[in-house]
Amino acid sequence: AQSVAQPEDQVNVAEGNPLTVKCTYSVSGNPYLFWYVQYPNRGLQFLLKYITGDNLVKGSYGFEAEFNKSQTSFHLKKPSALVSDSALYFCAVRPFNTDKLIFGTGTRLQVFP
Amino acid sequence: DTAVSQTPKYLVTQMGNDKSIKCEQNLGHDTMYWYKQDSKKFLKIMFSYNNKELIINETVPNRFSPKSPDKAHLNLHINSLELGDSAVYFCASSTTRGGRETQYFGPGTRLLVL
Repeated sequence: AQSVAQPEDQVNVAEGNPLTVKCTYSVSGNPYLFWYVQYPNRGLQFLLKYITGDNLVKGSYGFEAEFNKSQTSFHLKKPSALVSDSALYFCAVRPFNTDKLIFGTGTRLQVFP
Repeated sequence: DTAVSQTPKYLVTQMGNDKSIKCEQNLGHDTMYWYKQDSKKFLKIMFSYNNKELIINETVPNRFSPKSPDKAHLNLHINSLELGDSAVYFCASSTTRGGRETQYFGPGTRLLVL
């Protein structure tokens, strides 16, 4: 079955420290991978995507993610966290033969001042 | 200049009623989607339309009927609402031109069935 796992319900980090939000996936074929962020009572905002090419992709607000095919992972990272980064983060995969996004269960990022 | 818009933003209604949610995108995209986010924040696709044609129809009760009058609009009609329909419904759009593109989401419609 095709799936996405976000093993951490919540990640806590101090402002200024680096952050990582983990994501692993299980799909057949070459996947397209995405990260979205959801602020309270808001819609999902696109952060970044991996389609092909360089394994390190850069996105909005200083976020980046590294695609690791052997570990089937697509972890989200940021070198220096901001309090305003506090939100719910979703990893999603789009199997090559469909348009639908399969989402992980989300990880709540809490950045403390 | 909102890219993907939904109306209404909030919807509170009684069990058994029929309601509709509207979605419009001004991005020139040819594919639109409906997703449901439950109380645990889990997101799951319901439907997708490409050029007004139904492409994806997940295991959704037939009380839910999407309608796409044109490429820029995808509405969701729900008959005989049940308590379990309470959720946030997100519309999204993308384009298949030039390959697989990003889906852009609307702000969501928060439905509460009493």
